[in-house]
Amino acid sequence: QKEVEQNSGPLSVPEGAIASLNCTYSDRGSQSFFWYRQYSGKSPELIMSIYSNGDKEDGRFTAQLNKASQYVSLLIRDSQPSDSATYLCAFDPDFGNEKLTFGTGTRLTIIP
Amino acid sequence: NAGVMQNPRHLVRRRGQEARLRCSPMKGHSHVYWYRQLPEEGLKFMVYLQKENIIDESGMPKERFSAEFPKEGPSILRIQQVVRGDSAAYFCASSPPVQGIQETQYFGPGTRLLVL
Repeated sequence: QKEVEQNSGPLSVPEGAIASLNCTYSDRGSQSFFWYRQYSGKSPELIMSIYSNGDKEDGRFTAQLNKASQYVSLLIRDSQPSDSATYLCAFDPDFGNEKLTFGTGTRLTIIP
Repeated sequence: NAGVMQNPRHLVRRRGQEARLRCSPMKGHSHVYWYRQLPEEGLKFMVYLQKENIIDESGMPKERFSAEFPKEGPSILRIQQVVRGDSAAYFCASSPPVQGIQETQYFGPGTRLLVL
């Protein structure tokens, strides 16, 4: 069974600080990794995608991928109350097979 | 540019009835995916379709559930003889044709099914 592990939280971070979200996955063959944000009662929306080892930055968000350690993380700098949501990591367990495997999500709360 | 559309947004059914959920992908997208999210759980893949073809239905329960994506019209997820355990949010996602690496999937607003 190909799995994704996330700390369910809740994770509380003061406003303006860095929020760090982590995810491990079981399948070494995975090539594509995604971070989605989901507000309560809403649908997931894509934050970042990452395919290569290293860091990928987009505004206040940085995704980090380490395929050797089977680890992907998301850093949110200068956290804002509007960042309070559940963050889902997902990966493609069968390269090119299109279906995504999701973690259960980490609930993040930014404290004003 | 309209995003992924799903209807109805909320659906209430009594046990034993049928539920029919619809999904229209984003313009230019030919791939449709259905996921189910139970309360306090992550999304679980159900089925992946292209026009007139089911590509992967490995996540779909063997009984009562079916999906289609006809040449014309939206994709339909059909649940026959619903039971209370079917109560969940059902999300549809779409993506453009895959070219080598996994394409980003964009999600619709979901249909929240409640079985009484």
